[in-house]
Amino acid sequence: EAQVTQNPRYLITVTGKKLTVTCSQNMNHEYMSWYRQDPGLGLRQIYYSMNVEVTDKGDVPEGYKVSRKEKRNFPLILESPSPNQTSLYFCASQGLAGRETQYFGPGTRLLVL
Amino acid sequence: AQSVTQPDIHITVSEGASLELRCNYSYGATPYLFWYVQSPGQGLQLLLKYFSGDTLVQGIKGFEAEFKRSQSSFNLRKPSVHWSDAAEYFCAVGARGNNNDMRFGAGTRLTVKP
Repeated sequence: EAQVTQNPRYLITVTGKKLTVTCSQNMNHEYMSWYRQDPGLGLRQIYYSMNVEVTDKGDVPEGYKVSRKEKRNFPLILESPSPNQTSLYFCASQGLAGRETQYFGPGTRLLVL
Repeated sequence: AQSVTQPDIHITVSEGASLELRCNYSYGATPYLFWYVQSPGQGLQLLLKYFSGDTLVQGIKGFEAEFKRSQSSFNLRKPSVHWSDAAEYFCAVGARGNNNDMRFGAGTRLTVKP
């Protein structure tokens, strides 16, 4: 079954404590992306990756890092989380052509105290 | 870069009534257009997409959307809404080419009254 998985699904942490949200896809997609969803703002792209070792900033990259060492994995790293990073995060993957469907993970709800 | 506007933040319809959710986009050429649905606590699921050809697109769950170039719109419709359609709906626009650049609207929350 085609799948994008994220872990953890829910996370409560404190300001400044480094965390990583994992994302994995089983569709051999080249393109992967991270979004955050906030009320009234829809989904905003944080970072994306066109392939292994190729990453680039999206619209709201401040405070986040990513890595793409393997094709299937695309972790999101918050080195020093702050309360304004409290949000719902989605990972997505897609074939390289722009017309391909993006497949989304189930989401990770993060609360930073 | 392309952008998307969903003018309605929240819509309430009665079960069995028809539905139209509005989406307007801004892009210099013919874009790729998508509608996604997000049920509570779930990720996003693709309802339908438009790339080219027939401007009336059929999707899953009885939804359809019509691309109108002259109005820069891609409105989502359903003739008879079911209670299970209550969810948040997102319109998205993708750029032509292989850069995978996709922008989402702010979403429209649909409530279905019994």
